[in-house]
Amino acid sequence: TQLLEQSPQFLSIQEGENLTVYCNSSSVFSSLQWYRQEPGEGPVLLVTVVTGGEVKKLKRLTFQFGDARKDSSLHITAAQPGDTGLYLCAGRYGGYQKVTFGTGTKLQVIP
Amino acid sequence: DSGVTQTPKHLITATGQRVTLRCSPRSGDLSVYWYQQSLDQGLQFLIQYYNGEERAKGNILERFSAQQFPDLHSELNLSSLELGDSALYFCASSVMAGNTGELFFGEGSRLTVL
Repeated sequence: TQLLEQSPQFLSIQEGENLTVYCNSSSVFSSLQWYRQEPGEGPVLLVTVVTGGEVKKLKRLTFQFGDARKDSSLHITAAQPGDTGLYLCAGRYGGYQKVTFGTGTKLQVIP
Repeated sequence: DSGVTQTPKHLITATGQRVTLRCSPRSGDLSVYWYQQSLDQGLQFLIQYYNGEERAKGNILERFSAQQFPDLHSELNLSSLELGDSALYFCASSVMAGNTGELFFGEGSRLTVL
């Protein structure tokens, strides 16, 4: 059962544009992470959000956790070619130990 | 560099064979996770160990097994390999089983089954 859905699946934009990626679930997260993965490499942690309504900023990236802790968004301002990659959300539910990953959003930023 | 080491980086083998993938977690991390990533697919959780004990299991096939040793390194054994087992296998580690879920990934082992 796929618990975490991301949208869009693919995104190709011009350098300088803004974009938002969404991560949704029918379950409540106890914590949620965003990762970025480049081809042939392992995912790299970008941020962790824990509290409903929480907003975190990492340079041009803004992460928001929904009030009900069932969804999250990643907004990139003025995208650059270096932002190209696969963006993955991941969550832990309640007392479960395993970390479930979303379907991923493949972003391409064209110079 | 995440501090997680995986070997081998690449492995090519034939159907029906058995392979072992090895993972050394970050220094101080007690928890190890294994994930499978097939082409154009997301990360599928296989199994998690904490300080030598199995803590969570995903959709891991019966042909696959894993363990975590006293020195905390982990091995994933894949047997009776099929073409569909070709994938990237990632190991990740975290500090403890009950933390917020932040994982640090190795560079992966790319398995090709011919």
